[in-house]
Amino acid sequence: DADVTQTPRNRITKTGKRIMLECSQTKGHDRMYWYRQDPGLGLRLIYYSFDVKDINKGEISDGYSVSRQAQAKFSLSLESAIPNQTALYFCATSDRRGGQEELFFGEGSRLTVL
Amino acid sequence: LAKTTQPISMDSYEGQEVNITCSHNNIATNDYITWYQQFPSQGPRFIIQGYKTKVTNEVASLFIPADRKSSTLSLPRVSLSDTAVYYCLVGAIWGMNRDDKIIFGKGTRLHILP
Repeated sequence: DADVTQTPRNRITKTGKRIMLECSQTKGHDRMYWYRQDPGLGLRLIYYSFDVKDINKGEISDGYSVSRQAQAKFSLSLESAIPNQTALYFCATSDRRGGQEELFFGEGSRLTVL
Repeated sequence: LAKTTQPISMDSYEGQEVNITCSHNNIATNDYITWYQQFPSQGPRFIIQGYKTKVTNEVASLFIPADRKSSTLSLPRVSLSDTAVYYCLVGAIWGMNRDDKIIFGKGTRLHILP
């Protein structure tokens, strides 16, 4: 079983619909992240959370919201989806080792907004 | 956050050593350097991390000159399966800057030819 699990893996929806992407982890990490990837643009940070009570905006948070329901769960919502939110979304957790930080990614959620 | 600059793409042949250089001219004293590998439709995967001089693991080596304004990821004897996008990131040592966040650039698309 994957340590970082994203659901759904694929979703097609229509403009204006509310969408939630869920992420759960079994690694016991405090830090969790949501990234978006578009072809040729690398990964862009949407939101990140250092613990259950600490949520922060990333590079491109407009049009998105998040909820950290528990240490293990971090959900990303699109309140009213639009076509330019069509992308591959990744959830990640991070851990520190010797004072440094390593990211662990889920398998991604591919979202298509028509 | 230190901005990074990498080549957009590189080609090489199986069995060759590949070196990918990343520039980070405004790296801060507390920043470390991390490289990730990403295959299509998968999340990035940690390769190697370092602060200065040379770091080697079973997958790659990371060379960092004394001024730390650049770093070079070295992949020995590449194979077709090393075809991927490679990202160079710089970020603060955990705990030194709690507001720091992990930002990806566009990466280097490495294509290994037979």
